[in-house]
Amino acid sequence: GNSVTQMEGPVTLSEEAFLTINCTYTATGYPSLFWYVQYPGEGLQLLLKATKADDKGSNKGFEATYRKETTSFHLEKGSVQVSDSAVYFCALNSNTGNQFYFGTGTSLTVIP
Amino acid sequence: DSGVTQTPKHLITATGQRVTLRCSPRSGDLSVYWYQQSLDQGLQFLIQYYNGEERAKGNILERFSAQQFPDLHSELNLSSLELGDSALYFCASSEGPSGGPYEQYFGPGTRLTVT
Repeated sequence: GNSVTQMEGPVTLSEEAFLTINCTYTATGYPSLFWYVQYPGEGLQLLLKATKADDKGSNKGFEATYRKETTSFHLEKGSVQVSDSAVYFCALNSNTGNQFYFGTGTSLTVIP
Repeated sequence: DSGVTQTPKHLITATGQRVTLRCSPRSGDLSVYWYQQSLDQGLQFLIQYYNGEERAKGNILERFSAQQFPDLHSELNLSSLELGDSALYFCASSEGPSGGPYEQYFGPGTRLTVT
């Protein structure tokens, strides 16, 4: 079946530190992959996406590369800011299924 | 602003009661999804509608039901409410039926508190 596994949090980093949030997936066919971000008190917002192998999604300094060989879509940012504090969700949209599959979310806190 | 609207923003009700949550999708989007987000269970997919028809079902209880109307807005009905139903309920919409590159756009959520 389809599923997404992402690293458990919470993650606490100092401002300007490097961020990696791991995400691996299981899927039939060739899914599209997404990272969503949820700021406190708000709904989820799309952060970036990749629709085929080796695609790199990027937005607001965040990047993730669709790696089919390792079934991974790790989120990275070179220098985090306090304003990046949020919960990050990895997700997949299978081409053969009818559901969006979300990971459990990783809470990130960035301290000045 | 995602373009998805949800009402009400907050709802407080008693056990055993029935409530209706409303969602209007982004203009042009035909799919509506409902999710429940609680602290202990994370984000749970409940149900999806596409152009008025049920498309996929997730972990939706029998006490819960939903529908999508001809104008594409959707309602989620929760009945015989229990304390454990207290959660954030999100609606999301997307352009296509399912699968592929269509991302979902989320509304701001309805916070339901059952006392």
